[in-house]
Amino acid sequence: GAVVSQHPSRVICKSGTSVKIECRSLDFQATTMFWYRQFPKQSLMLMATSNEGSKATYEQGVEKDKFLINHASLTLSTLTVTSAHPEDSSFYICSASRLAGATNTQYFGPGTRLTVL
Amino acid sequence: AQSVTQLGSHVSVSEGALVLLRCNYSSSVPPYLFWYVQYPNQGLQLLLKYTTGATLVKGINGFEAEFKKSETSFHLTKPSAHMSDAAEYFCAVSATGNQFYFGTGTSLTVIP
Repeated sequence: GAVVSQHPSRVICKSGTSVKIECRSLDFQATTMFWYRQFPKQSLMLMATSNEGSKATYEQGVEKDKFLINHASLTLSTLTVTSAHPEDSSFYICSASRLAGATNTQYFGPGTRLTVL
Repeated sequence: AQSVTQLGSHVSVSEGALVLLRCNYSSSVPPYLFWYVQYPNQGLQLLLKYTTGATLVKGINGFEAEFKKSETSFHLTKPSAHMSDAAEYFCAVSATGNQFYFGTGTSLTVIP
């Protein structure tokens, strides 16, 4: 099956620093990728839709200046958490959309655990 | 607009017993429906999906789900639970197969 990777898998940073998380589709090209965050024992919340070559579309309530998304190529999207604070600590998961037959299927990365001290 | 409700945030079954995880959806258009499983500190793995056609969908690891339009449901079942099935399960709905909306998840515990 399709593989999506994320790097890093875990990151700990000091408050006020910025953290970049990469999402790669390893064996297919993805024109669309998605970023989710998941708080402990809660569901995934869609943060934004990342489109290759254009600006990301953010869900309501998500600060686009804080969560910078760049979809530089058909296999790479990055999420940068700027000036991170402890409340940004969460599990961030990306997914890549791949056309399978007549429908799109989402393939999820393994997630990145961000801890802000 | 799409949304998903998963009844029961925690389900416990004995090993070998039937697994039933409930999912009801709301969608203004014919939905695509998905079940994902998540193990601790890992991403989501697709169990099965319904797009069109046969309403009984078979997935990996012996799971299956039936799309019932009249009941707006997409419940997940497995005839015989295994210890390795213990995980968090998420139901998701999508109008296009792109933007997904997830339920709050059901934690499955399998009792030996």
